[in-house]
Amino acid sequence: EPEVTQTPSHQVTQMGQEVILRCVPISNHLYFYWYRQILGQKVEFLVSFYNNEISEKSEIFDDQFSVERPDGSNFTLKIRSTKLEDSAMYFCASSEGLAGEQFFGPGTRLTVL
Amino acid sequence: KNEVEQSPQNLTAQEGEFITINCSYSVGISALHWLQQHPGGGIVSLFMLSSGKKKHGRLIATINIQEKHSSLHITASHPRDSAVYICAVPNQAGTALIFGKGTTLSVSS
Repeated sequence: EPEVTQTPSHQVTQMGQEVILRCVPISNHLYFYWYRQILGQKVEFLVSFYNNEISEKSEIFDDQFSVERPDGSNFTLKIRSTKLEDSAMYFCASSEGLAGEQFFGPGTRLTVL
Repeated sequence: KNEVEQSPQNLTAQEGEFITINCSYSVGISALHWLQQHPGGGIVSLFMLSSGKKKHGRLIATINIQEKHSSLHITASHPRDSAVYICAVPNQAGTALIFGKGTTLSVSS
């Protein structure tokens, strides 16, 4: 069964460093999303992406964040200069259509020291 | 902005009990999602429904669009049902999901 994959599963970085989180969405899906979940809190929307453009972004998704679909399969989230408060689980998701059922990857746990 | 409220926040049950988790939202939507988050953190989509009722195995989801309310029921609960159950609704444009805080279910044998 097709699934969303994410790498790495766990990333530890120093404050101020750049990190790139990678996702491979389900192959025939057209809409891609990043969410994050700070430990003990609810899942929060970061950004959605369609047709090589950002469709929507939240207030959390500031200039430190960027997304890219560098090839036909990968979807990446870059954090330029990590802060302690960026420590969270980051989930990638994809859907076939707009407002369709979303399928989530297993997440990347980011720890910023 | 849509507000999503879930109740209860925590739920403890004995194996075999019937479970109900509730979700209410403030702004009309096209569809509502129920998701399950495992203890390891992974999120699985259980249902997406826009009206009436859906059933999958021992899980049943219902929605009342007029009352802006949905329920997730688990019949004959089992310890393996222990997880966080999350209700989520799309924003107006359908470009993002807004999540509830989740209901932590613990089923003991």
